[in-house]
Amino acid sequence: SQTIHQWPATLVQPVGSPLSLECTVEGTSNPNLYWYRQAAGRGLQLLFYSVGIGQISSEVPQNLSASRPQDRQFILSSKKLLLSDSGFYLCASLTGTYNEQFFGPGTRLTVL
Amino acid sequence: KNEVEQSPQNLTAQEGEFITINCSYSVGISALHWLQQHPGGGIVSLFMLSSGKKKHGRLIATINIQEKHSSLHITASHPRDSAVYICAVTLQSMYSGGGADGLTFGKGTHLIIQP
Repeated sequence: SQTIHQWPATLVQPVGSPLSLECTVEGTSNPNLYWYRQAAGRGLQLLFYSVGIGQISSEVPQNLSASRPQDRQFILSSKKLLLSDSGFYLCASLTGTYNEQFFGPGTRLTVL
Repeated sequence: KNEVEQSPQNLTAQEGEFITINCSYSVGISALHWLQQHPGGGIVSLFMLSSGKKKHGRLIATINIQEKHSSLHITASHPRDSAVYICAVTLQSMYSGGGADGLTFGKGTHLIIQP
């Protein structure tokens, strides 16, 4: 079974500071990886997905970027955080014959 | 554009009651997921359905592809079932806009089971 690790679990950052959230996956190889965000009072929204190393696609224009330097590592970054970047960030993977989705524990980001 | 609508948004019930949460969507899907989110934020996948019905313990999920509708049922509800239940779909490739099987989510149903 897969395990997805995310860190940190919570983060408070000032406006204009950089961001780096890391996600690593165990128990599988060559997964599709996803970053989702849940803003306050809203549903989860797909931000980025990756089908392989170095392959990143963005679903919505935003202040964030993503990278996949290794098969089981997915990083979400920003050079300068905005207040609107606050939210709950979730990393997920999809693998296997049955297209099963696995979720990380999430990172709650507050930008002040 | 696909919309995933859930009802009710909020539900408070007494322990032991039979709970139903509904989900409808507007375009073709390859799978529908029911997820559970606890107050800390972590999400657990409960079911993935493409047809019919699945049961796990006190949880039952059904889907009607023709009607584009799914339901999640909880029998003999318990306070530990209190959580946000989220319906999400994997769009068929013609609708996915290249999203590589990323999920489209409903806004969730906040369920509180009182003892």
